[in-house]
Amino acid sequence: GESVGLHLPTLSVQEGDNSIINCAYSNSASDYFIWYKQESGKGPQFIIDIRSNMDKRQGQRVTVLLNKTVKHLSLQIAATQPGDSAVYFCAEEDGGATNKLIFGTGTLLAVQP
Amino acid sequence: DAGVTQSPTHLIKTRGQHVTLRCSPISGHKSVSWYQQVLGQGPQFIFQYYEKEERGRGNFPDRFSARQFPNYSSELNVNALLLGDSALYLCASSTTGYGGEQYFGPGTRLTVT
Repeated sequence: GESVGLHLPTLSVQEGDNSIINCAYSNSASDYFIWYKQESGKGPQFIIDIRSNMDKRQGQRVTVLLNKTVKHLSLQIAATQPGDSAVYFCAEEDGGATNKLIFGTGTLLAVQP
Repeated sequence: DAGVTQSPTHLIKTRGQHVTLRCSPISGHKSVSWYQQVLGQGPQFIFQYYEKEERGRGNFPDRFSARQFPNYSSELNVNALLLGDSALYLCASSTTGYGGEQYFGPGTRLTVT
């Protein structure tokens, strides 16, 4: 079936650097995407979302980019902090009249002090 | 404002038993979705309920069932537990049936022995 996958399973960055987490999706009909952060032992935390009629959306220290031509999402985190260390998932709404999200396996972001 | 709440936090059951997990959505949210997250993987969609009606069902056996109550809280029931049902069970709520932000609870950690 359709799926969302991540290019890099682990990303290690220095504190203060910018982080970029990438994600590929396969369902060209999907029109809503969400990035989640999940810390150990906790539920996924909503970070930012983007709809298919947009190419870029910015939040506080985070930016999501959507390239529909190559079906690619990225999450950029500015001035990465130790508290950003977690697993990051991109999720794709499956389309149709449901909230079904399709998740990839996640990228572990490790911030080195 | 309270977020999505789930109970219990942890649960240990033996094979063949039955389990009921509970979820209370964010106030004003009418949609509840259930996900199963096996260690090291992204969440997998089980069910969505919106306005007390089933809106979507994932690829899970009939041993899994759910319902939504008039106050929009929800229960997930799993019968005849198998070792492979051991996972983190997550509940997410949203104001809309699709295309809206979804917020997750902390999850229920189910261990089947």
